[in-house]
Amino acid sequence: NAGVTQTPKFRVLKTGQSMTLLCAQDMNHEYMYWYRQDPGMGLRLIHYSVGEGTTAKGEVPDGYNVSRLKKQNFLLGLESAAPSQTSVYFCASSYSSGTGVFYQPQHFGDGTRLSIL
Amino acid sequence: RKEVEQDPGPFNVPEGATVAFNCTYSNSASQSFFWYRQDCRKEPKLLMSVYSSGNEDGRFTAQLNRASQYISLLIRDSKLSDSATYLCVVNPSGSARQLTFGSGTQLTVLP
Repeated sequence: NAGVTQTPKFRVLKTGQSMTLLCAQDMNHEYMYWYRQDPGMGLRLIHYSVGEGTTAKGEVPDGYNVSRLKKQNFLLGLESAAPSQTSVYFCASSYSSGTGVFYQPQHFGDGTRLSIL
Repeated sequence: RKEVEQDPGPFNVPEGATVAFNCTYSNSASQSFFWYRQDCRKEPKLLMSVYSSGNEDGRFTAQLNRASQYISLLIRDSKLSDSATYLCVVNPSGSARQLTFGSGTQLTVLP
């Protein structure tokens, strides 16, 4: 029962470096999401995808790019890391069907802790 | 005004106590409502969905008041294992499955 798997779990970068966070899900979910969580703030949506080959901006997309080349994978890229991007990053996935009380909940990976020096 | 607002706490209660959390949301068109639980430095996990008529799952009761735009979570007979941060979560638009998270209410149950 892997569910949603994020790699790496921890990473320290220097300002200006680039890196890619990988999210993989084995539940055949259509929707995938990237969030960041900072102290005292709720999870904020960075980008999301409603299916293979499609991506869209969330609440805080600046400084990040994403790709969904395969249904099971959703990549988050930082092209030039900045200290403001120090955060805990969570990936989530969900089925596409259901609204209101039939809304299908999101399942989360266990996070990537990223520090930018 | 934040889209989803919660009292951050912390709430420190003795084992066996009853504790209630409230959450308000700003978008009156919101359709889906949830409580998630997040343990320290772990991923959020769905605790329960919130239905208009109110719903109960064991010691947990969730209620929705659409007129006043607030959601509540009641925990009865608190256990040490209930210590966590409780996130109020709303699907504001009903489409694209986006969720808006509150910043969470921290609960510590004391022995």
